[in-house]
Amino acid sequence: EVQLVESGGVLVQPGGSLRLSCAASGFAFSNYRMHWVRQAPGRGLVGVSLINIDGTPAFYADSVKGRFTVSRDNAKNTLYLQMTSLGAEDTAVYYCARDFAGSIDSWGQGTLVTDSS
Amino acid sequence: DVVMTQSPLSLPVTLGQPASISCRSSQGLVHSDGNTYLNWFQQRPGQSPRRLLYKVANRDSGVPDRFSGSGSGTDFTLKISRVEAADVGVYYCMQGTRWPYTFGQGTKLEIK
Repeated sequence: EVQLVESGGVLVQPGGSLRLSCAASGFAFSNYRMHWVRQAPGRGLVGVSLINIDGTPAFYADSVKGRFTVSRDNAKNTLYLQMTSLGAEDTAVYYCARDFAGSIDSWGQGTLVTDSS
Repeated sequence: DVVMTQSPLSLPVTLGQPASISCRSSQGLVHSDGNTYLNWFQQRPGQSPRRLLYKVANRDSGVPDRFSGSGSGTDFTLKISRVEAADVGVYYCMQGTRWPYTFGQGTKLEIK
């Protein structure tokens, strides 16, 4: 069974930094591109980043370019999102999700990042 | 980026009645490989999204056959033949044909 478990979400000071992690199991992690998707309170789904199987970033949303960095450790089956210069607009549940053939076929349970202001 | 527009945004439905959600894309979604990468997701209250349909009309494992997808080009539809209480939530379309993937705004289905 595919499992994606996010962690690292917390209350963050404006301008602060945070690293989210997503532990993957139940599938060959190194063979799949992986997404970060976020959902602000009461709002819809927005793609944040996508990373290729070799660790090169494939996509960043304009709203996070230059502030967020996606990475992965295929040996540890773990996806990361390094977030800097955080602001109120970054408050959201962050989901990691598996990419497959023009789709997202599995989602984690999400981790909440909240701005303390 | 491809803009995905859903309607309606709110959908009150009587139990046992059908429901239909429209999704329109700002560009055609036929990929150069001939496939149309249009997906539908369900997000129940307090839960993560769950994929229901991929490539327009293919149901995921465990998805009841009450859910069906149709459409082509830029116009797509999700239909629920008979709404049940478990169907309450928000439904999103998402295109995976062109980078970046983009989502519709979501349609909130509630029981009347």
